[in-house]
Amino acid sequence: QQQVKQSPQSLIVQKGGISIINCAYENTAFDYFPWYQQFPGKGPALLIAIRPDVSEKKEGRFTISFNKSAKQFSLHIMDSQPGDSATYFCAACGMDDKVIFGPGTSLSVIP
Amino acid sequence: ETGVTQSPTHLIKTRGQQVTLRCSSQSGHNTVSWYQQALGQGPQFIFQYYREEENGRGNFPPRFSGLQFPNYSSELNVNALELDDSALYLCASTARESSYNEQFFGPGTRLTVL
Repeated sequence: QQQVKQSPQSLIVQKGGISIINCAYENTAFDYFPWYQQFPGKGPALLIAIRPDVSEKKEGRFTISFNKSAKQFSLHIMDSQPGDSATYFCAACGMDDKVIFGPGTSLSVIP
Repeated sequence: ETGVTQSPTHLIKTRGQQVTLRCSSQSGHNTVSWYQQALGQGPQFIFQYYREEENGRGNFPPRFSGLQFPNYSSELNVNALELDDSALYLCASTARESSYNEQFFGPGTRLTVL
């Protein structure tokens, strides 16, 4: 049973466009929702994270939108750049600090 | 501040062998978690160590075991290696008593089982 679902599996966006990745979770005990960016051959790096008491968090070009009642959250990358090309994982954590990852989205930003 | 480091970076083993992977946690962090990332998939939680004791385990068989040392560094041991154990093994550290759950990941060890 996949506790964190993520879509799309892959995404191609033109430079300057908006990249949108959607996630959904099952367990209402989750209280921390990070997004990780991973480049080939590297470990995941924390990009941005949100707690369920807020509906939106913005850091630079990256925005998380959170809908607690629907148990859904999404990542928006504004003004997407070729350097943003990577695999993005949404995730969810509870009090035990165990990170449950989604299956990932491979983003390609083309010039 | 030193980040999370892992060794070795790459490793090749044959079926049935045993392997030990090492992780040094970020300064000030007392909790280490290990994850297995198969090619093209998201990382899967193996187990977590907090103050030298196992503190949670994912759906992995007992041949996956670990240790945490007094300096909070950690080892992942895998016995009787199988072909499906080929993956990137990641460790992540966090400060358990902090108000945030942020975990910092190391670069991983790429294990290939032949």
